Amino acid sequence: GAGVSQSPSNKVTEKGKDVELRCDPISGHTALYWYRQRLGQGLEFLIYFQGNSAPDKSGLPSDRFSAERTGESVSTLTIQRTQQEDSAVYLCASSRPGNYEQYFGPGTRLTVT
Amino acid sequence: KNEVEQSPQNLTAQEGEFITINCSYSVGISALHWLQQHPGGGIVSLFMLSSGKKKHGRLIATINIQEKHSSLHITASHPRDSAVYICAVRFPWGGNQFYFGTGTSLTVIP
Repeated sequence: GAGVSQSPSNKVTEKGKDVELRCDPISGHTALYWYRQRLGQGLEFLIYFQGNSAPDKSGLPSDRFSAERTGESVSTLTIQRTQQEDSAVYLCASSRPGNYEQYFGPGTRLTVT
Repeated sequence: KNEVEQSPQNLTAQEGEFITINCSYSVGISALHWLQQHPGGGIVSLFMLSSGKKKHGRLIATINIQEKHSSLHITASHPRDSAVYICAVRFPWGGNQFYFGTGTSLTVIP
């Protein structure tokens, strides 16, 4: 079956612009995670969705970051007024109910100029 | 301080060598995840474990709950094993977060 997909694969934007990143999880996966990976660094947790429960937003670095998810399907991560330090690869992962094993998408490489 | 420590940070091995990558964590966990990240950036799940040992092909993962330590072993290493190997743990108190190690960069030379 299809894996986790993300779009766009690459995004170059000017400082101050808003960007929207999309994640399509594996069908039937109720949990969805967003991570950020800066160049040469480890993964940073951003936000977690589980079914229709309130999302865990504890990893969002500032109020410029927000994310939504419609039911158990597509999620969008929005970064407003982008800054150069937002440049990173943004990764999405999903997992099945009752199972912590995560399946990762290919990521979106964001470059803020 | 990172609550998940990996060692070594970098590792170079000759093809065929037996490889061990270590992961240690500070307090009890509910799950530990070994991941592989290839140079192109894609991340693949290798193992999810909370106790004991798991094996898949040439890969073996073990976890010692008492010592708060896990190892990932690669037998008969091959250049295609060259990647970054990442350990991630889920703490009982950590909500839904996984806490990630900084990764071990493995290069296997033909």
